[in-house]
Amino acid sequence: NAGVTQTPKFRVLKTGQSMTLLCAQDMNHEYMYWYRQDPGLGLRLIHYSVGEGTTAKGEVPDGYNVSRLKKQNFLLGLESAAPSQTSVYFCASSDRVNEKLFFGSGTQLSVL
Amino acid sequence: AQSVTQPDIHITVSEGASLELRCNYSYGATPYLFWYVQSPGQGLQLLLKYFSGDTLVQGIKGFEAEFKRSQSSFNLRKPSVHWSDAAEYFCVGLHQAGTALIFGKGTTLSVSS
Repeated sequence: NAGVTQTPKFRVLKTGQSMTLLCAQDMNHEYMYWYRQDPGLGLRLIHYSVGEGTTAKGEVPDGYNVSRLKKQNFLLGLESAAPSQTSVYFCASSDRVNEKLFFGSGTQLSVL
Repeated sequence: AQSVTQPDIHITVSEGASLELRCNYSYGATPYLFWYVQSPGQGLQLLLKYFSGDTLVQGIKGFEAEFKRSQSSFNLRKPSVHWSDAAEYFCVGLHQAGTALIFGKGTTLSVSS
């Protein structure tokens, strides 16, 4: 049972480049989330999904897009990367909003 | 907007001493509240959660938290801290739509010998 898998684990981008982060969970969870972690700011919610085909904005959605075409996958896209998007990105999933979050191992993204 | 606030950025406690980490929340209805811990280089681990019932909840690793509606608080406590408790602690609650979880900014705990 793999849990939540994020790919890639590390990535370096140049300003203006695009990329997609993939999150996959094998627990049949309805809820999936993307957070970014920055020193002193905790984890901030970017976008989330409450089920297949649904997405919603979180606290800091600007500059990111997401898709949940399949229940097990939640993709986070950066269309034109900026240095302010340098961060550690975490994907998480849960069965319901009041249940434990299961986290991926994180993606370290640097935008130069 | 609903939010959780952790007033303390960094706390240092002597090993064996008691610990209390503060969390304040703002909600209209009974909230869902959690405490997570992130050890250096490790992932995030759930310590405990509250959404109804007994206002004193027990968690893993000897931690407990008390929900106090009158004070809008959900403080985390431990009677005797161990060096391995040094980590970053996050209070977590509901996003404004009530369909996602948001994190406080975290409190870093250092344990001195």
